Amino acid sequence: EAQVTQNPRYLITVTGKKLTVTCSQNMNHEYMSWYRQDPGLGLRQIYYSMNVEVTDKGDVPEGYKVSRKEKRNFPLILESPSPNQTSLYFCASSLGLGSNQPQHFGDGTRLSIL
Amino acid sequence: KQEVTQIPAALSVPEGENLVLNCSFTDSAIYNLQWFRQDPGKGLTSLLLIQSSQREQTSGRLNASLDKSSGRSTLYIAASQPGDSATYLCAVRQMTEKLTFGTGTRLTIIP
Repeated sequence: EAQVTQNPRYLITVTGKKLTVTCSQNMNHEYMSWYRQDPGLGLRQIYYSMNVEVTDKGDVPEGYKVSRKEKRNFPLILESPSPNQTSLYFCASSLGLGSNQPQHFGDGTRLSIL
Repeated sequence: KQEVTQIPAALSVPEGENLVLNCSFTDSAIYNLQWFRQDPGKGLTSLLLIQSSQREQTSGRLNASLDKSSGRSTLYIAASQPGDSATYLCAVRQMTEKLTFGTGTRLTIIP
């Protein structure tokens, strides 16, 4: 089954404790992206990757890191989480530029930073 | 900078009625527009994608239209059912892969 898998689904942690949210897709998609969703603000893009070893900032990259060492994986890293990073996070993937195909989203990761 | 607006933020209609959800965007230079459904605690499910050269797309009881020049899209749901209750999001893609989302319309179908 074609899917985007995020782990964990839920996480409660404390300020300053490094964490990683994993994202994996099995569709051989070139493009992957991270969004955060906050009430009243909608979904905003954090980082994206056009292909392996190619990443770039989205609209709200501060406090986050990403890597794309393999095509299928695109982890989101919070080196020193802060309470303002409490949010619902989504990973998405698609075939890439030039294809008019929909983006596929994971089920989301709800992070609470105390 | 692209801005996407969805009005109303919430809508309640009796079961069986037809309804229209609205989406407007400020920059008409889009590549495509995508409608999503989001259930509480769940991810986003893609419903319809309209390419910039298209005027509408249909899937079952759903019909999405696009008027690029006026910066508008509508999602028409026919014969609404309680299972249609969810938040509906529209998102526009410009010449990069990035999607710019509206804040959604929370739809409640009353049995």
